Amino acid sequence: DTGVSQDPRHKITKRGQNVTFRCDPISEHNRLYWYRQTLGQGPEFLTYFQNEAQLEKSRLLSDRFSAERPKGSFSTLEIQRTEQGDSAMYLCASSFIAVEQFFGPGTRLTVL
Amino acid sequence: QKEVEQNSGPLSVPEGAIASLNCTYSDRGSQSFFWYRQYSGKSPELIMSIYSNGDKEDGRFTAQLNKASQYVSLLIRDSQPSDSATYLCAVNLGSNYQLIWGAGTKLIIKP
Repeated sequence: DTGVSQDPRHKITKRGQNVTFRCDPISEHNRLYWYRQTLGQGPEFLTYFQNEAQLEKSRLLSDRFSAERPKGSFSTLEIQRTEQGDSAMYLCASSFIAVEQFFGPGTRLTVL
Repeated sequence: QKEVEQNSGPLSVPEGAIASLNCTYSDRGSQSFFWYRQYSGKSPELIMSIYSNGDKEDGRFTAQLNKASQYVSLLIRDSQPSDSATYLCAVNLGSNYQLIWGAGTKLIIKP
């Protein structure tokens, strides 16, 4: 069990550029979650997959954000036309049958 | 609006003492409750989960749940400097798998 992994760990981009993050969940976990966290706040839910199906997406999430989980394994989160307000830590978590979620190390995004 | 409230702190506790962290939630339908520890610049780490009223102990950690009063607490016995972190409370409503998060309490253990 290697845990949840995320890539890259840090990303610096210029406003208006597109960025893509990858998450590899714990191998037997069928549920995968994306969160965003800013300083001093708890994680903010973005979206949730069960296997390859995207079952829920935050209503607060801009159309510039999209996520996929082909074949129910790894997942990608893409942000198009990045804005300075997108600067945050992007967290991925996975779970199996239990509700307990286990987090990866996160990707810290800085938009200049 | 479903909410989870925590005192932001910082909560300062002497080394070796008991640290007590509290969390209240608004939705009576909440079914699962979690405490995560988050060191600065790192991701949240699950340390305790509790599903029924009462106490649950794991090493130096005890989670307490009171559904009637809608609060959940975390006690850390024999506090160590390495316990200094932000502690996040998360609640699951049971209808889906989304967690509702508090903003966290910053705990400082003073040697």
